Amino acid sequence: NAGVTQTPKFRVLKTGQSMTLLCAQDMNHEYMYWYRQDPGMGLRLIHYSVGEGTTAKGEVPDGYNVSRLKKQNFLLGLESAAPSQTSVYFCASSLRPPRFPYEQYFGPGTRLTVT
Amino acid sequence: RKEVEQDPGPFNVPEGATVAFNCTYSNSASQSFFWYRQDCRKEPKLLMSVYSSGNEDGRFTAQLNRASQYISLLIRDSKLSDSATYLCVVNTGNQFYFGTGTSLTVIP
Repeated sequence: NAGVTQTPKFRVLKTGQSMTLLCAQDMNHEYMYWYRQDPGMGLRLIHYSVGEGTTAKGEVPDGYNVSRLKKQNFLLGLESAAPSQTSVYFCASSLRPPRFPYEQYFGPGTRLTVT
Repeated sequence: RKEVEQDPGPFNVPEGATVAFNCTYSNSASQSFFWYRQDCRKEPKLLMSVYSSGNEDGRFTAQLNRASQYISLLIRDSKLSDSATYLCVVNTGNQFYFGTGTSLTVIP
């Protein structure tokens, strides 16, 4: 099993450009999450999905959109990138809490720089 | 008020030392609790879940105090390989809330 994979691993964007980050999991998990991690801020939830075709806002959703058309994939879109979106983005998946084991499994991260 | 608060450290301890990390959470309805470990520029990985009765995994002991909304992690006989950032994580409803992490460096 590959677990959780993320594409791409690194990206540099110019302000105003758009891009899509892809997250894929092969563990048949219902829940998927997108986080961003900034120095001194910890991981903050952007959006999450509790199942195919459903999405919900997290703590910092502005400037991002998501889609979950297939259970194994969760896409994060930036329509018009801004320097404030420079960050490390992590995708995670889990079984539905509190089904055991319900810890989150993370992808390796995408390092995004917006200039 | 933040959902989860941790002392960021850094903690610099010699090999073989015992070190303890603390974490508080704000929502009394939180259901599940975890400690994750994150190495530099890597993804977080589960270290251990935290149960109400307390639990131990080798050199690691986790405690939960629901009345005080407090979670702790004790590392005994620290190894160089324990150097990392330790994240306190709380599950409330459909969401997981992360502390900012506590940095640990074990010195030879």
